[in-house]
Parts: sequence; C-alpha cells; structure tokens
Amino acid sequence: KAGVTQTPRYLIKTRGQQVTLSCSPISGHRSVSWYQQTPGQGLQFLFEYFSETQRNKGNFPGRFSGRQFSNSRSEMNVSTLELGDSALYLCASRTTLYQETQYFGPGTRLLVL
Amino acid sequence: GESVGLHLPTLSVQEGDNSIINCAYSNSASDYFIWYKQESGKGPQFIIDIRSNMDKRQGQRVTVLLNKTVKHLSLQIAATQPGDSAVYFCAENNKNAGNMLTFGGGTRLMVKP
Repeated sequence: KAGVTQTPRYLIKTRGQQVTLSCSPISGHRSVSWYQQTPGQGLQFLFEYFSETQRNKGNFPGRFSGRQFSNSRSEMNVSTLELGDSALYLCASRTTLYQETQYFGPGTRLLVL
Repeated sequence: GESVGLHLPTLSVQEGDNSIINCAYSNSASDYFIWYKQESGKGPQFIIDIRSNMDKRQGQRVTVLLNKTVKHLSLQIAATQPGDSAVYFCAENNKNAGNMLTFGGGTRLMVKP
C-alpha cells in the first residue's frame, strides 16, 4: 500500500500571501490530521477531518483552515501568511477516529519570507 | 534539512551498543502510547506501540517499557546502528480528548560509527 503523500514538498511564500497544501491518505484511511512542526513548539495538532467534516481542532488562529473531499484527500489553507508560519506541515492518516495509530506523510516544508 | 528542534535532548551512543530513550507522559488517563522515529527531512515513522494494560512490548530490535506508576515510557534499541540516528518521539493517546495523540518534545539519537 502506498503511504501518505503530501504535495508540494517545499514551498516559499512571502508574508501576506496564502498557501494551500494537499494530503492524500493511505488507501482505505478516512481520517486525516494536520500538524505543524517547528523547532520551538515541536509537533502541534492543527485539525482532523473525517467523512469531510472537521472532528477535532487544535489551538490555532482562524487563518488556518482545512477541508476534506469525498475521496478522503485533504487540503489545508493558511491565509495572510506570517513569518512564524514557517514550519514543516505534516499530514497523518488513520482508518477511523477509533484507531489510535496515525501514519505520517513526509511533510511540506513552508518558508515564509 | 533538519526538520526538528535545535535544542532537543541528545543521546550519543556507539554503534553496536544498546540505546535507551526515555519519555515522561502527562496524563494518567492515557491508555495507548506510540514511539515514532523521524529522520532528517522525513515525516515521523511508526516504530512500536503499547497499551496501558501492558508493561512491556518487544519488536524487532526494539522494546518499549511502560511504568504507569511514574508515568514513564522508554524505548530500548538493541545493537544500535547508524541508520537508527534520528529524532524519537513518544506520543500518548487520550480517549477523553477525541482519541488524539499528544506528542513529547523528542530526543535526538546520534550513533557514532
């Protein structure tokens, strides 16, 4: 089975722009979670989607949003980018909300200048 | 480039030695724990998990020990190899928090040839 895939792998944006990241979960996995990883804060949970609905949400501002499609693929969007949004954005999938184990993709490294 | 923090605790071991990576978790109600390995430029990779009704679980060259009394988790890697060099994260699952994983800060393992 193919693993979790994320596109693009690297991205450079400037402050004030917006960005959309994409994640395709493992085949058969219906839950997709997004995390932000930075040197200072470590791995922080952004949100989780299941059956096209946001089920859990972390403590991030409304500039961070996401959605999930009927094929379980997910996108996250960050509007009005700030320098502090520079991070590795990781997507993880699991079969359902009841499975504890999450499997991660390689991440998208976002640099905001 | 390196995807995790510059100020992580670091464990340096000689190739062939055994490694022990420790993790303190926060929630006594957590009932499931995972260890992930993250190599430079990659997403976290599942290594091994353990449920709270166990105190030890073994995999291939890895063993996880759980001490619920002091809320402590450890990962033992036997005959450490250069390919084991990475950052290791423990994560705890809290069913009362939407069955979500909470991650520790990570430990960097460096293997000297």
